[in-house]
Amino acid sequence: NAGVTQTPKFRVLKTGQSMTLLCAQDMNHEYMYWYRQDPGMGLRLIHYSVGEGTTAKGEVPDGYNVSRLKKQNFLLGLESAAPSQTSVYFCASSYATSGTYEQYFGPGTRLTVT
Amino acid sequence: EDKVVQSPLSLVVHEGDTVTLNCSYEVTNFRSLLWYKQEKKAPTFLFMLTSSGIEKKSGRLSSILDKKELFSILNITATQTGDSAVYLCAVRYYGGSQGNLIFGKGTKLSVKP
Repeated sequence: NAGVTQTPKFRVLKTGQSMTLLCAQDMNHEYMYWYRQDPGMGLRLIHYSVGEGTTAKGEVPDGYNVSRLKKQNFLLGLESAAPSQTSVYFCASSYATSGTYEQYFGPGTRLTVT
Repeated sequence: EDKVVQSPLSLVVHEGDTVTLNCSYEVTNFRSLLWYKQEKKAPTFLFMLTSSGIEKKSGRLSSILDKKELFSILNITATQTGDSAVYLCAVRYYGGSQGNLIFGKGTKLSVKP
C-alpha cells in the first residue's frame, strides 16, 4: 500500500514550457486534490475532483488544468509555465466525505520555472 | 472571506518545554477542524475535531476545539527535537466539495536540544 504518490519529485521548466504532474493513490479514495504551497502562504487548493470524470476549481485555478480519467489518478497540467508557478505542489486524496475523513497527502513535487 | 489564522508563526523552544499552538477561524458553515504535522515533505494527519470541549489526545500531543470562540489549540508536552516541524491547521466546511479544506499558514516549531 503506497498511499499517495507523485511524479516527478523535482522539475525545472523554462517560461512557456508545459508539463504534467501525476498523482496516484491506491486507497480507493473518491476525492482527490491538488494544492500548491508557497512560503508564508500555507496550502492553497488549485483544483479538486469528487470522482472519476469530474473536476472543479479551487482557490487558485488559473494557469492549471486537471483531468481524472481513472479513479486512482489525478493529473495536473501547466500549459504555459510562468515564474509565478514556482512552488511545491501536493496532491491529496480522501474518501467521499460527510466531513469525517482526513486527507492523505503525497510527498510533493518541487517545481521551478525560470 | 473565510480564513484560518495560526499563531505564532514560528516558535523556538528547548527540549522538555510545553508548547501551545493556536488556530482561530472565521469560516462559514464550519464542519470540522484538522491538525497536520509537516516535516520535510507531506503533511501527516494528527487530529480531527468536530465537537467543542472534547479533547483529542495522542501521546504527548493533545488538541481541543472551542466552537463558540472559534478557535482550537494544539498542545505538545515534554517536547523533543523530533517535534520540530510546521504544524498546519485546516478547517473543513459544508458546501462545494465537502472535503475541501481551508488551511492556515502554519506554525513553525523548532525544538532545540
